[in-house]
Amino acid sequence: SYELTQPPSVSVSPGQTARITCSGDAMPKQYAYWYQQKPGQAPVVVIYKDSGRPSGIPERFSGSSSGTTVTLTISGVQAEDEADYYCQSADSSGIYQVFGGGTKLTVL
Amino acid sequence: QVQLQESGPGLVKTSQTLSLTCTVSGGSISSHNTYWSWIRQPPGKGLEWIGYIYYSGSTYYNPSLKSRVTISVDTSKNQFSLKLSSVTAADTAVYYCARDWPPGIWGQGTMVTVSS
Repeated sequence: SYELTQPPSVSVSPGQTARITCSGDAMPKQYAYWYQQKPGQAPVVVIYKDSGRPSGIPERFSGSSSGTTVTLTISGVQAEDEADYYCQSADSSGIYQVFGGGTKLTVL
Repeated sequence: QVQLQESGPGLVKTSQTLSLTCTVSGGSISSHNTYWSWIRQPPGKGLEWIGYIYYSGSTYYNPSLKSRVTISVDTSKNQFSLKLSSVTAADTAVYYCARDWPPGIWGQGTMVTVSS
């Protein structure tokens, strides 16, 4: 079955830049999405179609794609950004959806 | 605005069928070009796509669950439902219903525990 690989954890100090990667063989063919999930809450999309930012999401959130890897970048990290982040994409058929294992972002 | 609310038993016995319903308010479940989705999250673990049903009635399921999953729509009640058969402890999770893909609107989630 298709898998997306994320680092389990990333730690940064406030004001620094956090980068979270997600790798998958079908990434060149399929869009990726990034979700933020805070404890006890449902996930929220922070990046769509690799690099789009939904309305209401701060400009410090950005996404990029290169080959089989997509990256979520949070510039000028704030304490409120501490959360779990999940990438999500589809397999090469575009039908079956997959989530990455999630990355816990810790703001030191 | 559209809101979703999951409902169903919080405890299901091993080997039985888990049944959940998602009630849609503030909009029609028959909306064109809309996916109605189920996602789950075991305690302390990551998200897992279970499947979705398109407004046309077509269904798509996670291959790892396909043999046990059924998603259906009841337009008369503006609801869609999830059935997962032959459950085990590994199916213990918070179950979310959601609209569209990627999901833009989520229910609050409902915890389902599978135990003998």
